[in-house]
Amino acid sequence: DVKVTQSSRYLVKRTGEKVFLECVQDMDHENMFWYRQDPGLGLRLIYFSYDVKMKEKGDIPEGYSVSREKKERFSLILESASTNQTSMYLCASNKFPYLTDTQYFGPGTRLTVL
Amino acid sequence: AQSVAQPEDQVNVAEGNPLTVKCTYSVSGNPYLFWYVQYPNRGLQFLLKYITGDNLVKGSYGFEAEFNKSQTSFHLKKPSALVSDSALYFCAVREEGNNRLAFGKGNQVVVIP
Repeated sequence: DVKVTQSSRYLVKRTGEKVFLECVQDMDHENMFWYRQDPGLGLRLIYFSYDVKMKEKGDIPEGYSVSREKKERFSLILESASTNQTSMYLCASNKFPYLTDTQYFGPGTRLTVL
Repeated sequence: AQSVAQPEDQVNVAEGNPLTVKCTYSVSGNPYLFWYVQYPNRGLQFLLKYITGDNLVKGSYGFEAEFNKSQTSFHLKKPSALVSDSALYFCAVREEGNNRLAFGKGNQVVVIP
């Protein structure tokens, strides 16, 4: 079975802190994604990566950056956390270039910024 | 641009009754359609997908979905709902040439004992 893990289930940070969210997949997938989930808005894509050191902006990249130094690991960085970044963050992965391939999701990190 | 609409915020159904969760989509070209389910405080779990072929797709936990090209719909169905089916359901679409998934806003399903 595909396994996507995220470093924390719950995280509480203060405004202005630098925040790292880590995601690891064990299926040798090329594509990795970061989404945020907010009630009534569904899932919105922040960034995705289709290879090591490659990244593309999603629909809401402002205030976020990403890092992919190894194939299995994709990090989301909040450079200076703000209260409007309080949300559920979901990581996903799938194979490239198979567009029909299912995305597999991690359990999510619920981030609260005070 | 690809998009998905899930018109109902919440669906209430009695245990044992048929369950339907609606989804319509908009894409350029052929769609690849997916349904996911999310239980409280969990990530999304894949239920089923339509890529090509038979319009009726069968998936996990007794769910199925019917692709209707003329109505641009991909409704999720289950003949007999269980209390354990209470969860948040997301429809998603990807159009040819686009590696991104577009998700709907989600439908909360409540199955009443």
